[in-house]
Order: sequence, then C-alpha cells, then structure tokens
Amino acid sequence: GESVGLHLPTLSVQEGDNSIINCAYSNSASDYFIWYKQESGKGPQFIIDIRSNMDKRQGQRVTVLLNKTVKHLSLQIAATQPGDSAVYFCAESGAGTASKLTFGTGTRLQVTL
Amino acid sequence: NAGVMQNPRHLVRRRGQEARLRCSPMKGHSHVYWYRQLPEEGLKFMVYLQKENIIDESGMPKERFSAEFPKEGPSILRIQQVVRGDSAAYFCASSTTGTVSYNEQFFGPGTRLTVL
Repeated sequence: GESVGLHLPTLSVQEGDNSIINCAYSNSASDYFIWYKQESGKGPQFIIDIRSNMDKRQGQRVTVLLNKTVKHLSLQIAATQPGDSAVYFCAESGAGTASKLTFGTGTRLQVTL
Repeated sequence: NAGVMQNPRHLVRRRGQEARLRCSPMKGHSHVYWYRQLPEEGLKFMVYLQKENIIDESGMPKERFSAEFPKEGPSILRIQQVVRGDSAAYFCASSTTGTVSYNEQFFGPGTRLTVL
C-alpha cells in the first residue's frame, strides 16, 4: 500500500544551525502535505502545510519544500533552538482519502548546545 | 479555548480486559479521528467519525475494536479482550470539516495503553 517514509531516523544539530528533515512519499495521488512536531508525551502539533500546486512555502523559521517529480518533501528549520528538539513527522492526504492522514515514521531532532 | 481532550491519559489493563478511551473534540468540531502510534513509529489512521456516524473505518482491526461518536458526549474507542499487541498510544484528532486539506486536524494529548 501507499506509505510515507523518512530517510533519517535521528538528526543531531548544533544550536543556531539550520536543520533539514527529509521525507519520501510513494502515493503519486497525494495532494496535501503536513509537517507535525511531536514532543515527548504529547500529541502531534501542526507546523506547516503545503498543497501539491506549490513547491515551497515559508512560515516563521520554517520552510517546506515539495518536489513532486521525485516525490520528496523536506522541512527546513532556521536557527535551530533547543525547543525544537522533538520528533518530526510528515503526513499526507490524497484524492479519495481526504478525511485521513498517512504519517511517516518520524525523525528525531536533537539540538545540542 | 480548550483543545482536544482525551482521558484517561494512561490506562493499564490485563490481557482479556476491556479498554475504553474517550475523546472530547474541540468546541465546534463535529469530526473526530482516531490514530494509533506504536513506539518509535508514526501514527496510523484507525477510524473517522461524525456525530452518530462512522464515515471511514478502513484502519480499524476487524475484531475487538469499535468506535462511536454519539449525539451527546465524547467519542469512545473501545477495545475488547485486549492483548499485549494493543499496547500503544492512541490519539484523537478533531476538525470542523472532513477534508484534511481545508481544515487542520487538531490532536489531543493521547491515551497510553499498557496491556500487562
């Protein structure tokens, strides 16, 4: 079946540096993508989303890039802070599955001082 | 503005017992989703409900699991005769509509079920 997966399970970044978290998806019908942040013991928290008619979207300190040709999604966090330490998930929904999200396995971001 | 509420936050059951997980959506939200998360994994969709209706249960195991969202009260995820493999975190999300790309799903803090 369709799946959304991540390249790296753990990413260690020094405070102040930029972080890049990657995600590959396999469902070519996916048309909406979301990045979530999950801190220990908490539910996923929405960070940023992007629709398939876009290739880049920026938020506060975060940027999401979408490459539909290779079915790849990335989350860039500028000036990474200790509070950014968490597990990050990409999720997608597609035509016919608009009511549910398919999550990737997650990348743990560790920010070192 | 209370967010999505789930209780209990932690639930311990012995094999063969029943587990009932409750979810109160955000005010004004009539769409509820349940997801399951195993340790070190992403969330897996289980079921999508509106008031008094199950819309999509394609992620629900065929046996022992059921969900409801009555006209009054919280949504309930019920697991009968629990087994150790049911140990996981169960998350509820709610939204104002059923189309993800138009309305964000807000997640609750989850219920962590441990089956002894």
